[in-house]
Amino acid sequence: EVQLVESGGGLVQPGGSLSLSCAASGFTLSSFEMHWVRQAPGKGLEWVSYIDSRGTTIYYADFVKGRFTISRDSAKNSLYLQMSSLRVEDTAVYYCAREKRWQQFGAFDIWGQGTLVTVSS
Amino acid sequence: QSVLTQPPSASGTPGQRVTISCSGGSSNIGLNGVKWYQQVSGTAPKLLMYSPDQRPSGVPDRFSGSRSGTSASLAISGLQSEDEADYYCASWDGSLKTWLFGGGTKLTVL
Repeated sequence: EVQLVESGGGLVQPGGSLSLSCAASGFTLSSFEMHWVRQAPGKGLEWVSYIDSRGTTIYYADFVKGRFTISRDSAKNSLYLQMSSLRVEDTAVYYCAREKRWQQFGAFDIWGQGTLVTVSS
Repeated sequence: QSVLTQPPSASGTPGQRVTISCSGGSSNIGLNGVKWYQQVSGTAPKLLMYSPDQRPSGVPDRFSGSRSGTSASLAISGLQSEDEADYYCASWDGSLKTWLFGGGTKLTVL
C-alpha cells in the first residue's frame, strides 16, 4: 500500500525546535517531489515547503523562511522538516504530501495522516 | 487572506448539482491551472482534480471542473451525503514560487 506516515509532533514552547519525519512506504520517495502542508486548528490548508526529487531545489513559504528546513533521506525513504524559532502561530497539523505528475500537471496525490505541532508556553 | 478566493460555504440537497468557484490571478490559475482537494472532517485532504478538468483514477465522474482565464470551478452533480466536506482549490504561483490554497469552501448537504 502506498502511504506516508508523519511523526515527531508534540508540544513545544515558543522559540523552541522540533523535527518532523515522514516515512514513505509502497513507493520510492526519492522519485517524487515532496511537500509539507499545514492546517491550523479550524483553519484552511497552508503550503509550507517543497523539495524536488534530487533534493537540489527547495522552496519555502515566506512565513517559515529562515526557520524551517526541509530535507530527505533516500536510504530511509523519508522526508523531514526541521523547525526552529517556533511561534504560537505555527501551531497546526503538519501533513507531508507527494506530488505526482500527469504530463505537465502536478498535484498532491498522496497525503499522510498528519502530525500535530502545538506551540505554547 | 488567501490569494485564491473561494466562497466560504455552499449547500445543496441530495441529487442536486452544486458548483464551487475559485478566483486567482495570471501567475497562478491563469498560468498553471488549478487542482481541487476534498477534506472530510478529521481526515487528510484527498485529490479530486489534478488539472482544471481531469480527475485521478478512482474519483467519481460526478466531480468535474473547468477553468476560464484566472478563475476555475468545481462541479459536483448527483450530490450525496458523503460529499459533505471542505473543498480547496490550489495552484502553483510562478511569480511567488509558492503553492497557494484557497481559503476553502464548506459544502453542506441538506
